[in-house]
Amino acid sequence: DAGVIQSPRHEVTEMGQEVTLRCKPISGHNSLFWYRQTMMRGLELLIYFNNNVPIDDSGMPEDRFSAKMPNASFSTLKIQPSEPRDSAVYFCASSPGTGKDGYTFGSGTRLTVV
Amino acid sequence: GESVGLHLPTLSVQEGDNSIINCAYSNSASDYFIWYKQESGKGPQFIIDIRSNMDKRQGQRVTVLLNKTVKHLSLQIAATQPGDSAVYFCAENRRKLIFGQGTELSVKP
Repeated sequence: DAGVIQSPRHEVTEMGQEVTLRCKPISGHNSLFWYRQTMMRGLELLIYFNNNVPIDDSGMPEDRFSAKMPNASFSTLKIQPSEPRDSAVYFCASSPGTGKDGYTFGSGTRLTVV
Repeated sequence: GESVGLHLPTLSVQEGDNSIINCAYSNSASDYFIWYKQESGKGPQFIIDIRSNMDKRQGQRVTVLLNKTVKHLSLQIAATQPGDSAVYFCAENRRKLIFGQGTELSVKP
């Protein structure tokens, strides 16, 4: 298995532009998670899906952020419009979804908003 | 509360020595914990987990200890190697993973 695949690896965009981050979870995993990592706040859970349905989006910072999971093998995290304070590494993770298992993380997308 | 915190932000050890990384949690109802390793430029990588019905679990060169009385867990790395240099996170799994701040382990040759 190729693991959790995220794209792009790096994204540099100008303030105000729309940014879309992509994730392909491990085949057969039922849960998918989006995290954001910064030096100041560490690893923060933004949103997670179970069987493609959003379960908890309480970590989404504001309406500029949205996430979708149209099918079991693909998810997107969109920021529109982007701001410099959105600069961070965004990780996607997936798990079998039994509730007592570890997550497998992707390599992350490093987003820089200038 | 739902915080999972680490006692020390940095730890420096000599190659070959044993390392101990500590973590405190606040929710006494938590029943599953995981340690992750994150190397520079990579995502967190699962190391070892432990359920609350255990107080010790061993892996290859790693041991996790859980003390539910004081809500504390630790990760012990035996014979620390340069490749062990990374940031280590403890995480509490209650339907979603809550991560601690992380401890940066630096191994001196």
